[in-house]
Amino acid sequence: DVKVTQSSRYLVKRTGEKVFLECVQDMDHENMFWYRQDPGLGLRLIYFSYDVKMKEKGDIPEGYSVSREKKERFSLILESASTNQTSMYLCASSLGTGEAFFGQGTRLTVV
Amino acid sequence: EDQVTQSPEALRLQEGESSSLNCSYTVSGLRGLFWYRQDPGKGPEFLFTLYSAGEEKEKERLKATLTKKESFLHITAPKPEDSATYLCAVRIPSGSRLTFGEGTQLTVNP
Repeated sequence: DVKVTQSSRYLVKRTGEKVFLECVQDMDHENMFWYRQDPGLGLRLIYFSYDVKMKEKGDIPEGYSVSREKKERFSLILESASTNQTSMYLCASSLGTGEAFFGQGTRLTVV
Repeated sequence: EDQVTQSPEALRLQEGESSSLNCSYTVSGLRGLFWYRQDPGKGPEFLFTLYSAGEEKEKERLKATLTKKESFLHITAPKPEDSATYLCAVRIPSGSRLTFGEGTQLTVNP
């Protein structure tokens, strides 16, 4: 079974802090994704990566950056956390054009 | 612009009462339609992939079908444990990303 693991289930951070969300997959998938999920807005793509050191902006990249130094790890960085970044963050990975597998999610609260 | 619309937003059924969820899309050159189940506070769990019109997939009480404009998730004789939000997503022709609908929240009462 594919396993996508996010480093934290719950996080509480202060406004202005730099926040790192980590995601690791164990199936050698080349594609990795970061989404955020908010009530009434569904899942929105922040960034994705199709190879090591490669990244592409999704629909809402402002205020975020990403890092993919190793194939199995994809990090989402909030450069200066703001309250409007309070959300559920979901990491996913996929092989080619196949289905994406998701982690358990990180509920981030920025106060 | 690629669009994925799910209906209804919420559906309440009695145990054993069969029904269908709809996912309509406006993507040219679809490269896959995906169904997921999401329980509260958890990540989406993959259910099915459909690639071409006329294709069907089944798993327990769930059956997914695909036409050129929409997909249906049929739930036969649902049980309370089928209560969840069901998401559909489409893969656009230009790459690997998925575009998601907003989901249907299904509640099955005993």
